[in-house]
Amino acid sequence: RKEVEQDPGPFNVPEGATVAFNCTYSNSASQSFFWYRQDCRKEPKLLMSVYSSGNEDGRFTAQLNRASQYISLLIRDSKLSDSATYLCVVNNNAGNMLTFGGGTRLMVKP
Amino acid sequence: EAGVAQSPRYKIIEKRQSVAFWCNPISGHATLYWYQQILGQGPKLLIQFQNNGVVDDSQLPKDRFSAERLKGVDSTLKIQPAKLEDSAVYLCASSRGTSVAYEQYFGPGTRLTVT
Repeated sequence: RKEVEQDPGPFNVPEGATVAFNCTYSNSASQSFFWYRQDCRKEPKLLMSVYSSGNEDGRFTAQLNRASQYISLLIRDSKLSDSATYLCVVNNNAGNMLTFGGGTRLMVKP
Repeated sequence: EAGVAQSPRYKIIEKRQSVAFWCNPISGHATLYWYQQILGQGPKLLIQFQNNGVVDDSQLPKDRFSAERLKGVDSTLKIQPAKLEDSAVYLCASSRGTSVAYEQYFGPGTRLTVT
């Protein structure tokens, strides 16, 4: 089983749609969780951290379910500019290193 | 603030040749990472430095890969000899410290093609 698993997609959605991605992780001792965004042929950039209580940043909402070991990212009112690959990231059991999922590709169409 | 710099941006070599990549982190960032990103996959950590010391290199194929950060600032990653499966983007990242609470900033990467 991979340490961090994501549905690779692509998710094809129209502008204005709401889309959700899930990610599962295998290490129950993981403590820190993030979503990164990676545009085509660009470097990854931090989108948001994921807190136990869930957190929201504009149109983006991240949630953590420790019991089921998954995190989610919800994007409301999708924009063309949201088209990218979204990487789920979890710290490993050594504490300080990050493990990246394979990414979920989102394509927002006009 | 200048970002993480990497060079070269692209490199094409034949298998069994050697190649080196260079990274200059954001000024003041003590921690530097090298990742390998194969097409269609997420980045995989190869090695992590804290200043000029290695924090973790457990996923570095040490029979062919080596990395150094001698003065605790810029870093080089070398592959010798290269294999076809080394074709990937090599990403360098830096952060203020080793804690995951510090955001990692990535450079633009070096795209390596081994033929």
